[in-house]
Amino acid sequence: EIVLTQSPGTLSLSPGERATLSCRASQSVSSSYLAWYQQKPGQAPRLLIYGASSRATAIPDRFSGSGSGTDFTLTISRLEPEDFAVYYCQQYGSSPITFGQGTRLEIK
Amino acid sequence: EVQLVESGGGLVQPGRSLRLSCAASGFTFDDYAMHWVRQAPGKGLEWVSGISWNSGSIGYADSVKGRFTISRDNAKNSLYLQMNSLRAEDTALYYCAKKRMAGTGEDYFDYWGQGTLVTVSS
Repeated sequence: EIVLTQSPGTLSLSPGERATLSCRASQSVSSSYLAWYQQKPGQAPRLLIYGASSRATAIPDRFSGSGSGTDFTLTISRLEPEDFAVYYCQQYGSSPITFGQGTRLEIK
Repeated sequence: EVQLVESGGGLVQPGRSLRLSCAASGFTFDDYAMHWVRQAPGKGLEWVSGISWNSGSIGYADSVKGRFTISRDNAKNSLYLQMNSLRAEDTALYYCAKKRMAGTGEDYFDYWGQGTLVTVSS
């Protein structure tokens, strides 16, 4: 099973700042089959990024994904108030599907 | 509009069974693999099980293998999760999730239901 480790656990930033979230895999993720989700309190997760770097439908271009192999990054270029949430990475290149433990992005 | 509506959750005693359902609409259900993902209170996401469009390929997390059974009825646009021998650690919000792209091996999820809460406690 591929274990995904997200860092930091909590990130405190202000609106307008740049956020960089990391997801590290215990072994190489096949074909960069890595996705990122955003989850707000009381809501279901929302797909942001798939294939490590492709934005999902209607996702603003301030969200970008990068990386390959075992190291992946989600970048939010300029934080908007609505971006403060929990973010999860997911790998789907190997069975079983696994998720990272999440990074909480909070307002500083 | 794609909609996924879960039902069947509730309070159940350890060792008992529960069957979850997910009613799908707004897309061609029998084109897509479907999955169950759970989230324990205050915790992260955990993939539980997935089923291909024709039920020919099924997978389970080790934590539920042998206790849970996923199934689907394409005629009814419905997904199910039969949960047996429930444990306290199965307590979670159970989401039904749709695979984004049909016909590929890429199981990531573009639509999620709002979840149904399962609480296992005596």
